[in-house]
Amino acid sequence: GDSVTQMEGPVTLSEEAFLTINCTYTATGYPSLFWYVQYPGEGLQLLLKATKADDKGSNKGFEATYRKETTSFHLEKGSVQVSDSAVYFCALSGYKAAGNKLTFGGGTRVLVKP
Amino acid sequence: NAGVTQTPKFQVLKTGQSMTLQCAQDMNHNSMYWYRQDPGMGLRLIYYSASEGTTDKGEVPNGYNVSRLNKREFSLRLESAAPSQTSVYFCASSEVQGYNSPLHFGNGTRLTVT
Repeated sequence: GDSVTQMEGPVTLSEEAFLTINCTYTATGYPSLFWYVQYPGEGLQLLLKATKADDKGSNKGFEATYRKETTSFHLEKGSVQVSDSAVYFCALSGYKAAGNKLTFGGGTRVLVKP
Repeated sequence: NAGVTQTPKFQVLKTGQSMTLQCAQDMNHNSMYWYRQDPGMGLRLIYYSASEGTTDKGEVPNGYNVSRLNKREFSLRLESAAPSQTSVYFCASSEVQGYNSPLHFGNGTRLTVT
């Protein structure tokens, strides 16, 4: 079945540091890939998405490129802020996934210190 | 600009008690979902409703029932709570059921079963 693996956290960074969160997936066909972010006490919010190979999703300074050859969708940001402290989830939705079912990774907690 | 609203925010139950988690969305979305979030496991789909009048099982439906009351509301019921159901529950909605349609999440209900 479909699965998503992302690096375990927590990841602790200083403000203005470069952030990378690795995400790899297993799926049949051509899934859509997503990054969701969860701020403390809130639900998940869509951060960015990519629907086909070589697509780059971007939002709020974050970027991720759909790499089919390496089955990866790593999240990057060039200069993080304290406000980026959150839990980040990589997810996929397979073309034949029933009910728009998203398969999530376990989440990576990011803490940015001033 | 409410989006997806869940009630209650917190709940403590004793083993064997029942309760209903409420969810309502004001975005005129067709599809609604219930997920549970457990540490290190990401989110897992419990039930979903692709459109008003339909419901289907997700990945972990045992011990739960759902009702799609109307287009706006989708409730989750625990008939006889068990400690294994201690979790954070998220309701979500999407415009349509489709693998490119992003999910919008509520802020969650933290449930503890003792």
